[in-house]
Amino acid sequence: DTAVSQTPKYLVTQMGNDKSIKCEQNLGHDTMYWYKQDSKKFLKIMFSYNNKELIINETVPNRFSPKSPDKAHLNLHINSLELGDSAVYFCASSRLSGRSYEQYFGPGTRLTVT
Amino acid sequence: KQEVTQIPAALSVPEGENLVLNCSFTDSAIYNLQWFRQDPGKGLTSLLLIQSSQREQTSGRLNASLDKSSGRSTLYIAASQPGDSATYLCAVPNSGGSNYKLTFGKGTLLTVNP
Repeated sequence: DTAVSQTPKYLVTQMGNDKSIKCEQNLGHDTMYWYKQDSKKFLKIMFSYNNKELIINETVPNRFSPKSPDKAHLNLHINSLELGDSAVYFCASSRLSGRSYEQYFGPGTRLTVT
Repeated sequence: KQEVTQIPAALSVPEGENLVLNCSFTDSAIYNLQWFRQDPGKGLTSLLLIQSSQREQTSGRLNASLDKSSGRSTLYIAASQPGDSATYLCAVPNSGGSNYKLTFGKGTLLTVNP
C-alpha cells in the first residue's frame, strides 16, 4: 500500500556518469514534484509536473531532466554527474485540499557522487 | 520571495513535557501552511495542513495554530514521547499564487529523552 515510492534508495556513482531516479505514486494525484535536500538538510523544489505537463522549473542545471510518462510517474535523469549533485532527492505528489495542494513525500534517494 | 524561519533549530526535552515549535514566514499571502515530520534517513510525513481560513488544526497530541497577519505558526506537542524525536519542518506555498511551490524552513530537531 505504498503511496509514493522511489527507486533506488541509494545510488553511488562516479563523476561524469549519467543516472536516473524513478518515482511512482498510487494516490491518484495529478501533480508530482522533485525536491533536493542538501547536506545542511535544506529542502528545495526542483521541478513539478501537473498532468504530465511541466509547471515548475526552478534554477536547476540543464543536466537535470525530468520526464513524466504518465500522471503516476515522474523520473529524474541526471547527466554528467558532479560532486555537488550529492544529496537526497525526494519525490512528492499532491492533491487539492480546499485551495491548497497537500503534498505527500517518498522515502528519498540518497545520491553520492565520488 | 517567501522565506521561512524555524526556531529553535534544536530542542531536547524530557519525556512527558509539553512543547512548542515555532515557524515564521515573510509573505502572509498564503493559502495554507503544512507541518511535516522527518525521521533520520526517511522521507517527510505530513502531520497537519492548516488552511489560511483556519486558526487551528488538531491531530491527536498535535495542535497547529496559524496567525497569517503576523506571519507565524506554532506546533504544540502535548505529553511528548521518545517516539516524537525527529526533525519537524514547516512549509508554505510561495507567494504570487503559485500554491504548488512549497518553501521549507530548515527544521527543528526534536529529541525527547526517556
